[in-house]
Amino acid sequence: QVQLVQSGAEVKKPGASVKLSCKASGYMFTTYYIHWLRQAPGQGLEWVGIINPNGDGTSYTQSFQGRVSMSTDTSTGTVYMELSSLTSEDTAVYYCARGTVMLRTAFHIWGQGTLVTVSS
Amino acid sequence: DIQMTQSPTTLSASVGDRVTITCRASQSISTSLAWYQQKPGKVPKLVIYKASSLESGVPSRFSGSGSGTEFTLTISDLQPDDFATYYCQQYNNYSPFTFGQGTKLEIK
Repeated sequence: QVQLVQSGAEVKKPGASVKLSCKASGYMFTTYYIHWLRQAPGQGLEWVGIINPNGDGTSYTQSFQGRVSMSTDTSTGTVYMELSSLTSEDTAVYYCARGTVMLRTAFHIWGQGTLVTVSS
Repeated sequence: DIQMTQSPTTLSASVGDRVTITCRASQSISTSLAWYQQKPGKVPKLVIYKASSLESGVPSRFSGSGSGTEFTLTISDLQPDDFATYYCQQYNNYSPFTFGQGTKLEIK
């Protein structure tokens, strides 16, 4: 079945970087955009950005510009998100998600989430 | 950015009740609106997309309506499993996609 499986929890110090992974299976990997979102403890959902797995491009929300980078490995069906210059405000559960083949879409499929804790 | 505003923030209801949650967009988003259900410690689950389309596997007691800037999610005959936090999301403008702040549906 279609699923997104994310990497395990991370603990990082302020100023460090973290690279998360999201492995897709059960569908043609290059056909669907992958989105990254996050949810800080007790807070709502925040969209981080999007990547076209066929290598055509990325788009990031303004508040993450310069700190976030998304990439793909089509040989393994895996999408990566790297976030740098971490602060305590980046402590959150990070989700990857997939919609339809359209760019503008609801998120039908979600990964299980990865908890990133930033603490000195 | 398109701002999404949900009301109420918290809603208390009983099993069997019919409840409605409202979501307003700061500009027209046509019907590019989704609703998600999230329980504590769990992954958000898509309930409604395209304002009124029911996601596969979601009970028919959930329904959505609206277009432009005003949308509603209605749950009829509330069941114990329905008590959760609900978020609306616009996907008319993808940079960025934006969510409402959430509505917590509590047991009265």
